[in-house]
Amino acid sequence: SQQGEEDPQALSIQEGENATMNCSYKTSINNLQWYRQNSGRGLVHLILIRSNEREKHSGRLRVTLDTSKKSSSLLITASRAADTASYFCATKKGGTSYGKLTFGQGTILTVHP
Amino acid sequence: DTEVTQTPKHLVMGMTNKKSLKCEQHMGHRAMYWYKQKAKKPPELMFVYSYEKLSINESVPSRFSPECPNSSLLNLHLHALQPEDSALYLCASRMTGSNQPQHFGDGTRLSIL
Repeated sequence: SQQGEEDPQALSIQEGENATMNCSYKTSINNLQWYRQNSGRGLVHLILIRSNEREKHSGRLRVTLDTSKKSSSLLITASRAADTASYFCATKKGGTSYGKLTFGQGTILTVHP
Repeated sequence: DTEVTQTPKHLVMGMTNKKSLKCEQHMGHRAMYWYKQKAKKPPELMFVYSYEKLSINESVPSRFSPECPNSSLLNLHLHALQPEDSALYLCASRMTGSNQPQHFGDGTRLSIL
């Protein structure tokens, strides 16, 4: 079962604009990860934020985590057409979970040139 | 290019056929995963191998049979599949440790006639 929900389900913007995607989850977590998937390809890991972290940056990506609200957001700044893809958040529980991830439903981002 | 290699990229098979999907990684990762992904949906976990032992089976039908012959190789044997099994099958691997991301292959697109 999928515990994560992402919003919006789809986002359409112009090149140069910022894109913000949100993710909510239901149980306590060890970390939260964001992945990108281009059409017909596998998932690519973007960023991992631990449960004791509140914000993390990687290039044009900024991720925030609010464990009290059980939510996270991914901000892509100065978007490019090449950022067009599906974006998934995934949560990992603590304990012996063998790295099992629970994925959100995903946000489809379209960046128009 | 991904560091997890899946073959074949595409597979069409009849419901009475037997075929196998192959996944290979040479990153020294000791956790490996099989996922099934339907169009516009997140990946669904099927199996997890940890140190070549099956650690998680997410109640997958027995017509799917995983195998991990060694630490670099993961197979998924298919037999008597149903049309609803048509999907993208993704393999992933991961270094052990709490805060390690998964690395995905580009998947095998499977069509059942």
